[in-house]
Amino acid sequence: EPEVTQTPSHQVTQMGQEVILRCVPISNHLYFYWYRQILGQKVEFLVSFYNNEISEKSEIFDDQFSVERPDGSNFTLKIRSTKLEDSAMYFCASSDGGGADTQYFGPGTRLTVL
Amino acid sequence: QKEVEQNSGPLSVPEGAIASLNCTYSDRGSQSFFWYRQYSGKSPELIMFIYSNGDKEDGRFTAQLNKASQYVSLLIRDSQPSDSATYLCAVAPGGSARQLTFGSGTQLTVLP
Repeated sequence: EPEVTQTPSHQVTQMGQEVILRCVPISNHLYFYWYRQILGQKVEFLVSFYNNEISEKSEIFDDQFSVERPDGSNFTLKIRSTKLEDSAMYFCASSDGGGADTQYFGPGTRLTVL
Repeated sequence: QKEVEQNSGPLSVPEGAIASLNCTYSDRGSQSFFWYRQYSGKSPELIMFIYSNGDKEDGRFTAQLNKASQYVSLLIRDSQPSDSATYLCAVAPGGSARQLTFGSGTQLTVLP
């Protein structure tokens, strides 16, 4: 069964450093998403991406965040200058855009900012 | 501010019983409703979705939607210890907006 994959599973970085989180969405899906979940808190929407551009973003997704689809399979989230409060699980999701447009989540990347 | 509210639990039921999980949402224009299961330290796993008023059954799971009351529920019949997890309700606005707003989840424990 097709699934969303994410790398790395765990990323440790120093405050102020740049990180890139990578995702490979399900191959025939057209919409891609990033969510984050701070430990013990709700899953929060960050951004959605369609047709090589951002379609929606939340107020969390400020100028330090960016997304890119550098090739036909990868979808990345870049955090330019990490802060302690960026420590969270980051989930990539994808959907095919049809019907109920259900979103399927990857296993997540745990980001720890020291 | 769009809100999705769930009782955080924990909810404990004996094995074989029916577990009932509830969710309310604030945005009356919401179109699609999802139930995800999340095991500790893992990602949300889709259980089922519903977008029409009434009941939708899938195996041991039944989702119920009442748009007039802005209420969604999930029933799990014949609960198993492997059903022990946090159940997340998620709501999508519909139309061209696809972002999911999640509730905080209800922690379910099924006792053997």
